[in-house]
Amino acid sequence: EVQLVESGGGLVKPGGSLRLSCAASGFTFSGYSMNWVRQAPGKGLEWVSSISSSGNYIYYADSVKGRFTISRDNAKNSLYLQLNSLRAEDTAVYYCARDIANGVSIFDFWGRGTLVTVSS
Amino acid sequence: DIQMTQSPSSLSASVGDRVTITCRASQSIINYLNWYQQKPGKAPKLLISAASTLQSGVPSRFSGSGSGTDFTLTISSLQPEDFATYYCQQSNTPPFSFGQGTKLEIK
Repeated sequence: EVQLVESGGGLVKPGGSLRLSCAASGFTFSGYSMNWVRQAPGKGLEWVSSISSSGNYIYYADSVKGRFTISRDNAKNSLYLQLNSLRAEDTAVYYCARDIANGVSIFDFWGRGTLVTVSS
Repeated sequence: DIQMTQSPSSLSASVGDRVTITCRASQSIINYLNWYQQKPGKAPKLLISAASTLQSGVPSRFSGSGSGTDFTLTISSLQPEDFATYYCQQSNTPPFSFGQGTKLEIK
């Protein structure tokens, strides 16, 4: 069974940093692109970042470019998102999502999400 | 960047109704259009990929169509479990944008 479990969310002050993790199981993690998608409270879905199976291809939304860094460790079946220079508008549930196939950006499995709250 | 616009933003309907949600892309995305269903407090669920490919386990009352810039999601006969928010998403070009969502409510 495919499982994605996010962790690392919490309350952080504006300008602060957090590192989110996503632990994957039930599939060959190294064979799939992975993504982060966020959802602000009461709002819609916003794609944040994608990383290819090997880590060679990385994309970011303009709203996070230069502040967030996606990475992965295939040996540990884990996906990460480093969040720096956080702003109030980054407050959201952050979901880890798997590509249905490497590089196609169709999200077939999602974690339950981890809440990031940016507030002083 | 490609903008995705859904209509309507909300919709009231009854069990058994046929409903259609539309999604328009700001430029051609060929058929790189996907639909998701999200229920309150839950992660989104992939329903349809590549505009019209129903995912395994998704009831056949759901269907998708369209190409280029205009797409539709149709639910042929609404069931109680279908009341949720629906999102379209383009997978043609990064950033892989979502529509703003359509909230389907019980009339």
